[in-house]
Amino acid sequence: QKEVEQDPGPLSVPEGAIVSLNCTYSNSAFQYFMWYRQYSRKGPELLMYTYSSGNKEDGRFTAQVDKSSKYISLFIRDSQPSDSATYLCAMIRNTGNQFYFGTGTSLTVIP
Amino acid sequence: ETGVTQTPRHLVMGMTNKKSLKCEQHLGHNAMYWYKQSAKKPLELMFVYNFKEQTENNSVPSRFSPECPNSSHLFLHLHTLQPEDSALYLCASSQGTASGNTIYFGEGSWLTVV
Repeated sequence: QKEVEQDPGPLSVPEGAIVSLNCTYSNSAFQYFMWYRQYSRKGPELLMYTYSSGNKEDGRFTAQVDKSSKYISLFIRDSQPSDSATYLCAMIRNTGNQFYFGTGTSLTVIP
Repeated sequence: ETGVTQTPRHLVMGMTNKKSLKCEQHLGHNAMYWYKQSAKKPLELMFVYNFKEQTENNSVPSRFSPECPNSSHLFLHLHTLQPEDSALYLCASSQGTASGNTIYFGEGSWLTVV
C-alpha cells in the first residue's frame, strides 16, 4: 500500500465551480500537511500548509485535514482558468523531515 | 521568482556525455534537496544536504553525483545516464531538516537522455 494515495484525474470543471481535491494516507504519524500547485513545465509552488487536524483558509482556497479518517482535502471556490494546474499533496511525519508526496491531480478549469 | 534558481532549464544529453545541473537558493536556508519527477509517479527524493553535509542518499545510482560547496549552492553531476533517467529534476531548499520545515522548489531542469 502506498503511503499517500491521490487520484490523478484528470479533473475538468467549468469556471466558477467549487473544486474538491483529496488525498488519503496510511501512516497515522503524519502531522504536517501541504498542498503544492504545479503549472505545466514549472516547479511545484507551496499553496497551503497545515499542522494536525482542522481547516485553514486562504482566499479562495481551504485546506482541510481529518486525521481520524486519514484524509486531507483542498477546496477551491470560484475556480478560475488560472487554477488549471496539477495539485500535489504532501505530508511529513512528526519526526524527521521526509516528505511523502501524492502523484498529483491534474485540474483544468474551462472558461 | 521562487528564490530557488536552477540551470539549465532544459538539457539533452547522450548516454556517454557528462553534464551538470546547478541550483542556487537565495532564501538563506540551510538544507538543500534533489528530487526526481517522472510522469505518473510521486516525487522521488534523491539527496539531502544540511549545512553542506550530505544527510541522505536515497539509494541513487552512482551515475548521479551530488556536490554541495556551501549552503546556497547544489550541483548534480551526471555521467553515463540511461534513457530511463529522462525526467524533471527539481532542486529544493528548506530552513532546516527538523520536522515541519517545509520545502521550496525551483523551476526544475528537464533532462532528456538520448
